[in-house]
Parts: sequence; structure tokens; C-alpha cells
Amino acid sequence: GNSVTQMEGPVTLSEEAFLTINCTYTATGYPSLFWYVQYPGEGLQLLLKATKADDKGSNKGFEATYRKETTSFHLEKGSVQVSDSAVYFCALSDRPGGGADGLTFGKGTHLIIQP
Amino acid sequence: GAGVSQSPSNKVTEKGKDVELRCDPISGHTALYWYRQSLGQGLEFLIYFQGNSAPDKSGLPSDRFSAERTGGSVSTLTIQRTQQEDSAVYLCASSLYGNEQYFGPGTRLTVT
Repeated sequence: GNSVTQMEGPVTLSEEAFLTINCTYTATGYPSLFWYVQYPGEGLQLLLKATKADDKGSNKGFEATYRKETTSFHLEKGSVQVSDSAVYFCALSDRPGGGADGLTFGKGTHLIIQP
Repeated sequence: GAGVSQSPSNKVTEKGKDVELRCDPISGHTALYWYRQSLGQGLEFLIYFQGNSAPDKSGLPSDRFSAERTGGSVSTLTIQRTQQEDSAVYLCASSLYGNEQYFGPGTRLTVT
């Protein structure tokens, strides 16, 4: 079956530091890949997505590239802000938006940015 | 416009009682999903509705869990004879024809 592995953290960085959160996956076929973010007290929000190999998803200064050869979808940001503090979830689906099987999530990475 | 709403936001119940959790999807969204978020298991997919039908119920944790959707809109997740291991945040999401999923704020269930 499908699975997603990501570093669990917490990851603590200083403001303006470079961020990488690793995500690797196991799936049959050609999944679509997502990063979701959960800010304190809020629901899950889609941050970015990529639907095929070598696609780069980007949003709010975050980006991730779909690497089929390494089955990875690492999240990066060049300069983090305190407001980026949240829990980040890597997820995959066998269909572009989720489809009948729903999303398979990693366990989430708690990111803490200190001023 | 209005997003996905869930009620109640918090529910405390005694072990053995039944609970009903409600999800109001975004108007016009054809697909509806239920997930469970718990410390030990992370985010688990439970069930998916396309319209009023659920093609695959195998993600439900046990036969104490059931879900229905009526009128292609509101859905309820029912847990019978609740157990302490059912304590979690239950999330609902909806999408248009299987595209991007929009999540609700969740219902935090505590079984004492």
C-alpha cells in the first residue's frame, strides 16, 4: 500500500534560516504529491502540490519538487518567518486531487521558528 | 464563501455512549471525506463519499463506525459504544469531482 515518511521534529529554526523538511513516499503507479499546513488552532490547508514527475509546486515562498527517481518531495523555504510556525504534512494520492482512496499522510513535522 | 463546517467542535462523552459528528461540505462539492487525526496514528483516511454513496468502507476502524451522507450534502459519522481509543480529532474534507480537498476545522472527541 501507499505510505509517506517525513521527519517528525519538532524542528526549531531561527527567523530567516533556510528550511528543508524531508518527505519520501512509497506508492504504486504515479501518485500526486501534496504539502498541507496546519497553523495553531486552524484546519488543514493545502500549501502546494505536484501531479507528475519533475513538477515543482510553490506557494508563499515554499517549494517542493516531485522527484520520481528518489521518491521524494522535500519542502524548502529560503528564509522562514515566525508566522511559518505550524505543523506540515506531506501527503500523496493516486489521483490528482485525492479521489476515491483519499489522501495518505505522513505523521507531520512540527516547525517552530524563533525570532 | 463558506468553507467546510463541522459540529460539534468539541465532544466529551463517556465510554460506551454513542456519538454523532456532523460535516457540512462546501456547497456544490460532490465528494466528501472523513479522516481521523490522533497522536499515535497521525492522519488516517476513513471513508469517502461520491454523492450519497460510499464505494469503499474498509478504512473505517471497526464495525462500531458508520457514516452516511444524504442529499449529496451533509454527512454524519456515528461511533457506537465509544472506546477510549476513539479519542481523536475527526476531520472532514470536501472536493469538487475529486480535485483539491478542503478541510474543516475538525471535531475533537474525548472519551472518558
